[in-house]
Parts: sequence; structure tokens; C-alpha cells
Amino acid sequence: QSALTQPASVSGSPGQSITISCTGTSSDVGDYYPVSWYQQHPGKAPKLMIYEGIKRPSGVSNRFSGSKSGYTASLTISGLQADDEADYYCCSYAGSSLYVFGTGTKVTVL
Amino acid sequence: EVQLVESGGGLVQPGGSLRLSCAASRFTFSSYSMNWVRQAPGKGLEWVSYISSSSSTIFYADSVKGRFTISRDNAKNSLHLQMNTLRAEDTAVYYCARDDCGSSGCYVQHWGQGTLVTVSS
Repeated sequence: QSALTQPASVSGSPGQSITISCTGTSSDVGDYYPVSWYQQHPGKAPKLMIYEGIKRPSGVSNRFSGSKSGYTASLTISGLQADDEADYYCCSYAGSSLYVFGTGTKVTVL
Repeated sequence: EVQLVESGGGLVQPGGSLRLSCAASRFTFSSYSMNWVRQAPGKGLEWVSYISSSSSTIFYADSVKGRFTISRDNAKNSLHLQMNTLRAEDTAVYYCARDDCGSSGCYVQHWGQGTLVTVSS
């Protein structure tokens, strides 16, 4: 199972909105299985930001939102803040491989 | 607050073995499936293995199949990963992670802090 494809980096100024894409295949993102999104600061464990494609765990800011179209899922961060600077990973269920993660995107706040 | 604490990482020579453990607390461990996820230095996340709550269903990534064995002890609230025939490419931080499932799918919400495994001579 190949990793889902994400852009290596995305940047934006404070207050702006950015979108991170996550492209898969008919066996993962394009199938019924929803995508989850994780934020990871350096040296820290990943943190769940979006699950089941569009849902936010308790405590996660509503500035984070998820969507999907065809084989591509997206994470949008609105009102970009300095603390949003981190690596972001998408993840999809993938049958017997269970989970496949994206290649990761480094978000830089300019 | 769910707590997952990994242990057992360290330096091991290529071809060697290591056993990772994860101590779970503050939730009903026996009710949840569990995963191991790893991250090589400077690289992305890679799912490694899954075990269902009763140990009846187990999956492995192709990269570790035949070399790693996942197990759990529900009486002791612990998860394990026996790693044999280790290779340099197995060098990574290994995370213990709880499987959560909603109405339309599963995901990992709770992660341990990770334990570093270094395979080198």
C-alpha cells in the first residue's frame, strides 16, 4: 500500500487560510473509508485534528475543517496562527493494510 | 485522560531482537483495539501493526510481516511488539496508539509519547 500523496510544504501569513490536500486511490481515500488528519509538532506525538473526514475532537479549534472530493481529501486551516506551524498527516483506512498515512505536509506561518 | 506509556526501546545490532511494551491506563483497555505506528528520523508516519480487543484479529504492514509479532495482555493492560531480525530501516520512534471507531470509520485518537529504536552496529 503506497502512502497517500500530500504537498511537501504549504505556507501562509497569520490570519490567512490554507488548504492541505491528500490524494489516494480507489482502495483508500476514494472508497467509503473516511480520512483522519493529525498535527505533529517537533519531538511530539501526533495529535488528532479531524476524524471521519469532517469531525473535530473535543478541544480542537473550529478553525480546522475537513472535506473530500473523489480521491482527494483536504484539511483547511482558517485564521492561521503561529502555533499552527507543524507537520500535518492525513490517514485513511486501507483494507488489510488497515491504515495508510500521507507523506506529510510542513506548514509554515510566515 | 487516556494514558499510553511505551518502553523497551534502545540500541540493537542488525539481526537482533527487541520487545516493546505499552502500559495503558485510565480507560478500559480490554474494550479497545490497539496499533503500533512508527516514524523514522525525519520521516513520516508508518502504520506497523493492529490487534483487536480480544486478539482474534491481527494485521501487519508488509514491511514487518514475518519479523514482528504484536500481542496484548488484557489482565495487565499491556500491549507488546516483539521485533526480530531487525534491520537498519526499522530505526524509528515507535508509538502505541489506541484505535477508536465512529459511525463511519476508525482512526487513532490517543497516542503514547513514543520509544526510540535504533538498529545499528
